[in-house]
Amino acid sequence: NAGVTQTPKFQVLKTGQSMTLQCAQDMNHEYMSWYRQDPGMGLRLIHYSVGAGITDQGEVPNGYNVSRSTTEDFPLRLLSAAPSQTSVYFCASSSPGRGLETQYFGPGTRLLVL
Amino acid sequence: GDSVTQMEGPVTLSEEAFLTINCTYTATGYPSLFWYVQYPGEGLQLLLKATKADDKGSNKGFEATYRKETTSFHLEKGSVQVSDSAVYFCALRSASGGSYIPTFGRGTSLIVHP
Repeated sequence: NAGVTQTPKFQVLKTGQSMTLQCAQDMNHEYMSWYRQDPGMGLRLIHYSVGAGITDQGEVPNGYNVSRSTTEDFPLRLLSAAPSQTSVYFCASSSPGRGLETQYFGPGTRLLVL
Repeated sequence: GDSVTQMEGPVTLSEEAFLTINCTYTATGYPSLFWYVQYPGEGLQLLLKATKADDKGSNKGFEATYRKETTSFHLEKGSVQVSDSAVYFCALRSASGGSYIPTFGRGTSLIVHP
């Protein structure tokens, strides 16, 4: 199993540009989520999905869109990039179960918005 | 709502020193508790977990005990190595509300010198 994969590893954007961060998992996990990691702020949840066709907002959803058309993929779209979106983005997946679930994280995408 | 509070870092130790990273939480019911580790340039990975009161999670020489009475899950290691240098995140997954998305602390950076 490849686990959770993310592409690209690194991206530079200009303010106002749009792009999609890709995330895929091959573990047949129902739950997928996107986080951003900023210095001193820890991990903040952007959006999450509890299954194909179902998404919901997290703590910091503004400026981001998601969709979940398949169990495997959960892309994150930046509609109009802003310098405040410079961050490291992590995708994670898990399978629910009382007290047994573990979040599996991808390697991250480093995004720089100029 | 649920929350996790970790001691601020960085924590700087010499090799073979004793490590404690404090973590306290606020949640309803009996959440599951986790410690994740993030090595430089990588995503987070599960280090250990505990699912009920008085459980002890352990892995790679690290231990943490689920203390319901003090709402704590402190991470300890008897003798740290340079290779333990990383960022450590405490997290909880609430037992109520049906959500399987965990709540993370802000992370504590550990630096171990030879």
